Amino acid sequence: NAGVTQTPKFQVLKTGQSMTLQCAQDMNHEYMSWYRQDPGMGLRLIHYSVGAGITDQGEVPNGYNVSRSTTEDFPLRLLSAAPSQTSVYFCASRRNPGANEAFFGQGTRLTVV
Amino acid sequence: GEDVEQSLFLSVREGDSSVINCTYTDSSSTYLYWYKQEPGAGLQLLTYIFSNMDMKQDQRLTVLLNKKDKHLSLRIADTQTGDSAIYFCAETSPRSSNTGKLIFGQGTTLQVKP
Repeated sequence: NAGVTQTPKFQVLKTGQSMTLQCAQDMNHEYMSWYRQDPGMGLRLIHYSVGAGITDQGEVPNGYNVSRSTTEDFPLRLLSAAPSQTSVYFCASRRNPGANEAFFGQGTRLTVV
Repeated sequence: GEDVEQSLFLSVREGDSSVINCTYTDSSSTYLYWYKQEPGAGLQLLTYIFSNMDMKQDQRLTVLLNKKDKHLSLRIADTQTGDSAIYFCAETSPRSSNTGKLIFGQGTTLQVKP
């Protein structure tokens, strides 16, 4: 009964380092997405995918890359971390883009120093 | 444009009712959601309402939708300390049906005092 699993839970990076945030779902959902959560700003969409091999940009995509080689996995890559990317990152999946319920992972708290 | 606004903080006593309010700007919103985020956890869908409904009740939760004023509220009856969390209002519209994008408010922190 895993749902959406994110790793790691916490990460500290130095400015300029790269890393990959992992996200996996076991519900055979077509749609997966990444959000970032910043204080007083709610959640903002970074990138999303409507199926394996298909990705697109959300409202705050700069500095992030994604790929979707399988239905289950949707990793988020930070190419050259900046302090402005300090945030809590959430991966979410849905059966399809229009499905009512979105399932969220536990989040990854990233600090860039 | 798309915007969802919430007040940032609400404090109530255990046993009282809590009312968390949300306003939105997109008149074409189709579904409106309430999510709960407990400390250190992800977001959990509490309930949602379709835009052609005025009210939805689910045990201690009552959602009221005023489409004319674009106002959504979540009432929690007999609030318990376990209800302490951040509550997010979110909406989707036909414009976001292809992207699956949820528009979130800033979140309301509910503090329940014993």
